[in-house]
Amino acid sequence: QQQVKQSPQSLIVQKGGISIINCAYENTAFDYFPWYQQFPGKGPALLIAIRPDVSEKKEGRFTISFNKSAKQFSLHIMDSQPGDSATYFCAATDSWGKLQFGAGTQVVVTP
Amino acid sequence: DTAVSQTPKYLVTQMGNDKSIKCEQNLGHDTMYWYKQDSKKFLKIMFSYNNKELIINETVPNRFSPKSPDKAHLNLHINSLELGDSAVYFCASSQRGTSYEQYFGPGTRLTVT
Repeated sequence: QQQVKQSPQSLIVQKGGISIINCAYENTAFDYFPWYQQFPGKGPALLIAIRPDVSEKKEGRFTISFNKSAKQFSLHIMDSQPGDSATYFCAATDSWGKLQFGAGTQVVVTP
Repeated sequence: DTAVSQTPKYLVTQMGNDKSIKCEQNLGHDTMYWYKQDSKKFLKIMFSYNNKELIINETVPNRFSPKSPDKAHLNLHINSLELGDSAVYFCASSQRGTSYEQYFGPGTRLTVT
């Protein structure tokens, strides 16, 4: 049973547009919510992460919004670039250090 | 310098064979992991070791046996390979207190024919 639900499965955005990926969870014991970026043929790499006591975190063009009461969080990619084309995974960790991944979103940024 | 390395990168083998994948990290981390990524790109944790001690063991067939000779190495041995074992296997490492920040290796693509 997937503990972190992610949508959409894929999205196409024009260069300069905004990409938005949404995730939801049920387990209130999760204590950290990272996002990973994966390019074809490579391993996932940490992009940005947020704690549940913070509502928003921004790093460059990437922003996480976190809604603790709704148990939802999202990734916004501003001014999307062709180099951002990748698969993005939301995730959550529990106190055991287990990283539970969402199903992934394939983002394609068209020139 | 490669932070997390895996060998081999590709592995093609027949059903019923036994194979091993090796992983090494030079980040000084105390925790290492094995993940399986299936054809739909879903990533699932299989095992985790902290300072050579098994701390996470998901519901994985006992044909899969991890071994950690030291905290910089974590190997995965698979017995009696099945078609369903075909996937990309990723090794990762982190510090125990910051397990949300994991560093992944390049993956090993295992194809069982």
